[in-house]
Amino acid sequence: DAKTTQPTSMDCAEGRAANLPCNHSTISGNEYVYWYRQIHSQGPQYIIHGLKNNETNEMASLIITEDRKSSTLILPHATLRDTAVYYCIVLRFSGTYKYIFGTGTRLKVLA
Amino acid sequence: DAGVIQSPRHEVTEMGQEVTLRCKPISGHDYLFWYRQTMMRGLELLIYFNNNVPIDDSGMPEDRFSAKMPNASFSTLKIQPSEPRDSAVYFCASSQGKDTQYFGPGTRLTVL
Repeated sequence: DAKTTQPTSMDCAEGRAANLPCNHSTISGNEYVYWYRQIHSQGPQYIIHGLKNNETNEMASLIITEDRKSSTLILPHATLRDTAVYYCIVLRFSGTYKYIFGTGTRLKVLA
Repeated sequence: DAGVIQSPRHEVTEMGQEVTLRCKPISGHDYLFWYRQTMMRGLELLIYFNNNVPIDDSGMPEDRFSAKMPNASFSTLKIQPSEPRDSAVYFCASSQGKDTQYFGPGTRLTVL
């Protein structure tokens, strides 16, 4: 499974867009990019996922580069409640079906 | 939907005791996953089931750990005997097909 690299931590001002990068340079053509977040010690919460095209939902947008070697999760208007650890996961659907969680990015939204 | 339900939410036990963690997946989901989270190792997949059958248990740390899924709505993770290094938060997750996984609130286990 492809590995992911994320910055350890980031700060963002409340109301501004939070842009969280993820590098997955060894991703294969059939591997999806998933984003989850974990607020304090709660269970990880699904945010968004994509394969090739950019995706948007009510929580966030996902921008995947054309070569698919990196992606960016965008929280358009960060609030204090968005303070969490954000995980970028690359998932292959063939064979074993596994999420491999990395260390994630600790996002702190500042008032 | 109530989401994934786990019990107990907190468990404190003494070394050597048997511990049983329980999980009820979201109705209709056919995949169930058990994860463990520690500060040192982060989130690790222990085992997962598809249609109640264990598919991959390569993450189970040792023979002291066992997991069962007797039916589509219930799974257990058992540790016998427990050791202090088993202290962690254990999460259960479920999915419908090979799709988005939904996590429960977790069980915080402390082994003294």
